[in-house]
Amino acid sequence: GQNIDQPTEMTATEGAIVQINCTYQTSGFNGLFWYQQHAGEAPTFLSYNVLDGLEEKGRFSSFLSRSKGYSYLLLKELQMKDSASYLCAVFPRDNYGQNFVFGPGTRLSVLP
Amino acid sequence: DTAVSQTPKYLVTQMGNDKSIKCEQNLGHDTMYWYKQDSKKFLKIMFSYNNKELIINETVPNRFSPKSPDKAHLNLHINSLELGDSAVYFCASSGTSGRAGSDTQYFGPGTRLTVL
Repeated sequence: GQNIDQPTEMTATEGAIVQINCTYQTSGFNGLFWYQQHAGEAPTFLSYNVLDGLEEKGRFSSFLSRSKGYSYLLLKELQMKDSASYLCAVFPRDNYGQNFVFGPGTRLSVLP
Repeated sequence: DTAVSQTPKYLVTQMGNDKSIKCEQNLGHDTMYWYKQDSKKFLKIMFSYNNKELIINETVPNRFSPKSPDKAHLNLHINSLELGDSAVYFCASSGTSGRAGSDTQYFGPGTRLTVL
């Protein structure tokens, strides 16, 4: 089966750095995505990793270790607007099956 | 211009009714999807359509039927609505029809369905 785990909730202070972890066990692996979802809104794409290592994009970075089935999303210089749910999603199949599997999401609260 | 749009944004209806949710994308994508997000915020894929062919149906009840009149539209029709169908339904689209690669999905704004 497919299983993705993330912490349910995290709290951090404005200006700080926070790391949101994601572990996965899937039948095959062909990429891992991070999405941000504000309350009442649609998920929006943040990052994509398919090879091991760190991908940096402004204040956000995402890391992947395929051997460990592990990824993290790093948010630097936190702002109040970063308060949202962060969803880890894995693309398990290496064929025409367009089958995203989403984790439960981590609700991040940024405090002043 | 909105990339992926859905209508209606809110839908309140009685048990047993039949309803439809429409989705359109203007990104020229090959594949479109329907997701259900329940009260616990789990996003679960329901269907995807690639070039007008259904390629996934994740054990969704047959009361749910996707209909794609063309590549830019994927509508969701629901028969005999039940209380447990209350959720937010998201439409999404992605660019390629083959290997996963960097196949980012773009989501519509969601339709909040409430069944009374």
